[in-house]
Amino acid sequence: DIQMTQSPSSLSASVGDRVTITCRASQSISSYLNWYQQKPGKAPKLLIYAASSLQGGVPSRFSGSESGTDFTLTISSLQPEDFATYYCQQSYSIPRTFGQGTKVEIK
Amino acid sequence: QVQLQESGPGLVKPSQTLSLTCTVSGGSISSGSYYWIWIRQPAGKGLEWIGRIYTTGSTNYNPSLKSRVTISVDTSKNQFSLKLSSVTAADTAVYYCARSVGDYYDSSVRRWFDPWGQGTLVTVSS
Repeated sequence: DIQMTQSPSSLSASVGDRVTITCRASQSISSYLNWYQQKPGKAPKLLIYAASSLQGGVPSRFSGSESGTDFTLTISSLQPEDFATYYCQQSYSIPRTFGQGTKVEIK
Repeated sequence: QVQLQESGPGLVKPSQTLSLTCTVSGGSISSGSYYWIWIRQPAGKGLEWIGRIYTTGSTNYNPSLKSRVTISVDTSKNQFSLKLSSVTAADTAVYYCARSVGDYYDSSVRRWFDPWGQGTLVTVSS
């Protein structure tokens, strides 16, 4: 199985901060990487697909990038509704696997 | 737009079989090149991909669950289903269904999950 390792596991930030979450794959997965946002009691919601493509309806403050086996989710200016847990997920091979999640909390 | 809704018993006894159904509305389960997915999440933990089914009935399962999982599709009802046998407390989780969408890239298909159902909690307990 491909292991996905996110860092940090949690972070505290203030409204307006720039936030960066990293996801590292245990092997090359090209751009087969997606990001999801999950709020408490809710299903995950797709934010970014294919490493850097913004899902329709998602604010442009969210962006994704890749460098080798490292992938980054950036929130350019954190908003109150962005406090949530974020997961990366690889679609390169079966079984699909997720990172352990990064919880973004209010500072 | 397409919406998914999970249904099934919220309580299952140990050693029995967990059975869930996902009903797709707003579109035909047979249209497009989609896979239909089951994912679960124990309380306070991360997400685990259980498996997927194509509308032809072709399936792929997580090797960690493969011996206990069956995913099937009923195109006449616009539904797909999950059966997980010999359950234990470790199978207690919120179970989500989702659609796997994709695009062609470098002679392959990149996929992602959208949309998701709201999730249903299944507790394994006597």
